[in-house]
Amino acid sequence: QVQLQESGPGLVKPSGTLSLTCAVSGGSISSSNWWSWIRQPPGKGLEWIGEIYHSGSTNYNPSLKSRVTISVDKSKNQFSLKLSSVTAADTAVYYCARTITAMVDYWGQGTLVTVSS
Amino acid sequence: NFMLTQPHSVSESPGKTVTISCTRSSGSIASNYVQWYQQRPGSSPTTVIYEDNQRPSGVPDRFSGSIDSSSNSASLTISGLKTEDEADYYCQSYDSSNWVFGGGTKLTVL
Repeated sequence: QVQLQESGPGLVKPSGTLSLTCAVSGGSISSSNWWSWIRQPPGKGLEWIGEIYHSGSTNYNPSLKSRVTISVDKSKNQFSLKLSSVTAADTAVYYCARTITAMVDYWGQGTLVTVSS
Repeated sequence: NFMLTQPHSVSESPGKTVTISCTRSSGSIASNYVQWYQQRPGSSPTTVIYEDNQRPSGVPDRFSGSIDSSSNSASLTISGLKTEDEADYYCQSYDSSNWVFGGGTKLTVL
């Protein structure tokens, strides 16, 4: 059973950079899957941030592309998200997920990141 | 890019059938698969339908999905409603390596 666990600071200052890591267990990050980040502002809907393949290929949401970097560390079986120049609008629960043919089959439990001074 | 529009909320009684729609704003609904996710309060979403009408193992056959090219929309139908079905439901599709989620529908089973 694949498990994903997000980790990182729960509080980030405005204009700073949000950094999260997703540790994958029960499966290899080098499998034939993409690995995604999805977020959900409090009380609102889901927003796809982007995805990465173990080769390093990435796809990003056009609305966030200028601020997002997703990377993979195969030696640690994990992948990471960096979101720069954050504002209060970036406050959300951030989920990491395993995806196959553009659907999520495994979700992390999610981690709340608050942007505030 | 396109948008997926869902009703904000629906409600129905236990034992009844409810259908949640998801309308694609541009491009054909049939051109890319549609998925449906269920999210109960305080929990991560789970997949209830993938590739328009496929159920993951463990999802009861009370859940079904379909697409209608004439209305350019997808639908999630839940029959024999149970109180445990009360949740938010999101449709999702993609285009040119960009994913799009619908705004979500709150299902109340009363």
